[in-house]
Amino acid sequence: AQKVTQAQTEISVVEKEDVTLDCVYETRDTTYYLFWYKQPPSGELVFLIRRNSFDEQNEISGRYSWNFQKSTSSFNFTITASQVVDSAVYFCALSGPTTGNQFYFGTGTSLTVIP
Amino acid sequence: DAGVIQSPRHEVTEMGQEVTLRCKPISGHNSLFWYRQTMMRGLELLIYFNNNVPIDDSGMPEDRFSAKMPNASFSTLKIQPSEPRDSAVYFCASSYMGGSPYSEQFFGPGTRLTVL
Repeated sequence: AQKVTQAQTEISVVEKEDVTLDCVYETRDTTYYLFWYKQPPSGELVFLIRRNSFDEQNEISGRYSWNFQKSTSSFNFTITASQVVDSAVYFCALSGPTTGNQFYFGTGTSLTVIP
Repeated sequence: DAGVIQSPRHEVTEMGQEVTLRCKPISGHNSLFWYRQTMMRGLELLIYFNNNVPIDDSGMPEDRFSAKMPNASFSTLKIQPSEPRDSAVYFCASSYMGGSPYSEQFFGPGTRLTVL
């Protein structure tokens, strides 16, 4: 079965703190892709990153970093030195042969950064 | 470059009325997806098209919902007749299925539908 679990429903941090958003997935596929999206209060969904299952290198983009660990089926997202503009709902998603071209989205983690 | 364009951005209608949501995907993209987002159910895939052909419509809630993609640059999602439980934000997304079939999807701004 394809499944994405984001166990953290809501997180609040004070500005400049680091925060990690967890994503755990289940899949039967040996080749698959994982994604993170950001949904700010304005409502649109913004693509952040795509990672394929063969590339376990961590990725860093500015204050954002992603830790992919196949051994624990996790693809966690860390924001360093959080800012108020990071306040949003963050979604993790999975796609692979079993899903066709479809995405399985997690339920999202709502992050609030307090100034 | 223009992103995915959706119209209208907001729609308020009365129960029983027909509602048509419109989407223009990113030029060059060959896959198009319609999603619905509610607090209760989160993001649900309703239907997706590949090269203008519907591939999977198993997420369409019932016969009141229909979607078309007459060409590569336009798609509609129609609800007839609408019901209050259809109130949600409807997103359209597009992607390019080329060398990798699991490309990122780019989302439009959404249409917030309220059915009274």
